[in-house]
Amino acid sequence: ETGVTQTPRHLVMGMTNKKSLKCEQHLGHNAMYWYKQSAKKPLELMFVYSLEERVENNSVPSRFSPECPNSSHLFLHLHTLQPEDSALYLCASSQERGGADTQYFGPGTRLTVL
Amino acid sequence: GQNIDQPTEMTATEGAIVQINCTYQTSGFNGLFWYQQHAGEAPTFLSYNVLDGLEEKGRFSSFLSRSKGYSYLLLKELQMKDSASYLCAVRDSNYQLIWGAGTKLIIKP
Repeated sequence: ETGVTQTPRHLVMGMTNKKSLKCEQHLGHNAMYWYKQSAKKPLELMFVYSLEERVENNSVPSRFSPECPNSSHLFLHLHTLQPEDSALYLCASSQERGGADTQYFGPGTRLTVL
Repeated sequence: GQNIDQPTEMTATEGAIVQINCTYQTSGFNGLFWYQQHAGEAPTFLSYNVLDGLEEKGRFSSFLSRSKGYSYLLLKELQMKDSASYLCAVRDSNYQLIWGAGTKLIIKP
C-alpha cells in the first residue's frame, strides 16, 4: 500500500453505536490530521497530531475521540453521534506540521448516522 | 473572520480553457494551495504558490497576487477527466490551512 489509506470506506451507524475509523499513512510523515467534509462546505479541521502528540483540537464535540498510537496510524472513535455528523471524514498527513508541507489525503470514510 | 471565496460550480467544454478564481481574507499568509478532488476520492495536490506570479505545471497553471488576496487556477486543453471539484486553501499566520468550499467543474463534450 502506498500513500494514505482509510477504512472503512463507508459506514452506517445508529446514534447509540460505537465505531472507529482507521487511517494509516505509508509516507514516513510526522503529522496527521482528521477533517470533516460536508456537502458544499469547506473542509473542517478536527484534530492534528504531530509526532503522536495532539497539538490541535478545534472545538470538536466529545463524541469524537481521536487516538494516535504511533506516527503511522490515526483513529477516530465515534460514539452517540447525531444525524448532523453524517459527512465524509478525511485523514491527511504531512512531513511536518506547518511550513510549506503539502498535506496528502486518504480517500475518506463516508459516514451516515441514522 | 477568515474567508475563502470561490465559485460553487462552473461548466466548460472539452478542449477549451477554464479559469477558477479564489479570493481570500486571512490572518496572515504563508502560501496558497490548489487541490483536485474527484467524486468519492481523496483530494490530491495540484499546486502551491507563496510568491506573486504564475506557476505552470503542464496543462495546469496557478497564479497568485498577495496584494489583491487573489489566486486563480487555469486549466488548458480540458479533458473529460478534469471534471472534479477544485479546492483552494490558504495557510494563515499560524500555519493552519483555511479551506474554500470548492468549485465543481463540469466538462461537456
